Amino acid sequence: EDQVTQSPEALRLQEGESSSLNCSYTVSGLRGLFWYRQDPGKGPEFLFTLYSAGEEKEKERLKATLTKKESFLHITAPKPEDSATYLCAVQAVGQAGTALIFGKGTTLSVSS
Amino acid sequence: DVKVTQSSRYLVKRTGEKVFLECVQDMDHENMFWYRQDPGLGLRLIYFSYDVKMKEKGDIPEGYSVSREKKERFSLILESASTNQTSMYLCASSSYPIHTEAFFGQGTRLTVV
Repeated sequence: EDQVTQSPEALRLQEGESSSLNCSYTVSGLRGLFWYRQDPGKGPEFLFTLYSAGEEKEKERLKATLTKKESFLHITAPKPEDSATYLCAVQAVGQAGTALIFGKGTTLSVSS
Repeated sequence: DVKVTQSSRYLVKRTGEKVFLECVQDMDHENMFWYRQDPGLGLRLIYFSYDVKMKEKGDIPEGYSVSREKKERFSLILESASTNQTSMYLCASSSYPIHTEAFFGQGTRLTVV
């Protein structure tokens, strides 16, 4: 069964304290891995797509990387406005249509 | 910018009512999806559609139906609302080919009393 697991469930950081969020996946074949940010009471906002092992993408303080079994979202020198829930999702070969399989998310809190 | 708009941010309905959740996207996307999001369970796929009048069941379709009469509009229907359908409902759309990202609406917080 295709599965996505995110860790940790929650992460508290001080402003400027860099860290990483993990997304491990078990799928029959990976078409793409997606990272989203979700603020409380809002819909997820797209951040990155990764397609193959070794690929990396960056946006401001965020950098996403991909291996054959997991993805990391690295946050460098975070600010309080980076506080949100970060969701990882995969699109798998054979997955019905183009739907995404989501992990349960990591809730990041950054304090000043 | 891609816009996915859900008709309501908050809804309160009574048990047994028929409930319609509407979603409209303005980017001519082929694919549209309905998810529900619950604490501790994450996002779960209810139904999706890859073309007008086409629909496919997701992981948790029981108690729901959908309608897609026009490309830009995808409706989720709760045939007879129950308290266990209290949840955040999220609509999303994406374009073909299948590797593209999905864009989400702002969500509808439905409470069934």
